[in-house]
Amino acid sequence: QVQLVESGGGVVQPGGSLRLSCAASGFAFSTYATHWVRQAPGKGLEWVAFTRYGGNDKYYADSVRGRFTISRDNSKNTLYLQMNSLRAEDTAVYYCAVSDSGSHFEIWGQGTLVTVSS
Amino acid sequence: EVVMTQSPGTLSVSPGERGTLSCRASQSVSSNVAWYQQKPGQAPRLLIYDASTRATGIPDRFSGGGSVTEFTLTISSLQSEDSAVYYCQQYSNWPPITFGQGTRLEIK
Repeated sequence: QVQLVESGGGVVQPGGSLRLSCAASGFAFSTYATHWVRQAPGKGLEWVAFTRYGGNDKYYADSVRGRFTISRDNSKNTLYLQMNSLRAEDTAVYYCAVSDSGSHFEIWGQGTLVTVSS
Repeated sequence: EVVMTQSPGTLSVSPGERGTLSCRASQSVSSNVAWYQQKPGQAPRLLIYDASTRATGIPDRFSGGGSVTEFTLTISSLQSEDSAVYYCQQYSNWPPITFGQGTRLEIK
């Protein structure tokens, strides 16, 4: 069964850190590019970060650059998002997603909720 | 940054009718547009990519069209399960990848 399963979400105070994980199964994870996309409560979708198959090329949204770090471990079929200096506006459901040839998102995880609050 | 603008904000259509959703890009994105369906409490699902190619398993009631800056998603013979929010996305000029703000489709 093709799936992505996120974990690591929770409640964190402003200025704190959190590490999200996304475990892939049922497909050749190492051949796909990977993204994080988030959705604030009641809002639309916002692309957050990208890394290519080998994990070398990395791009970030301006809103998270310098605070978030995307990485992947192909030996574990897992994608990560290290989030530091968290702000209230980072509160959202975080989805991992993969893309094959282009950069449309073919497979999505179910999402994990991150709440930044004191 | 490419801004994607969707219209209308909400579309209310009767079962069996056709619904057309629009998406406009602030600059040319060629045919690098995808459409997603999102139901409450669920992750988005890919419907259309490259403006007009249906994703695997998507019924042929869903069709996409357009190029350059104007795009449409058409759902023929609407069914109750089509009630959802629909997002367009461009992947031509990135980063950043950008989404439209969404169109809520209601089935009367």
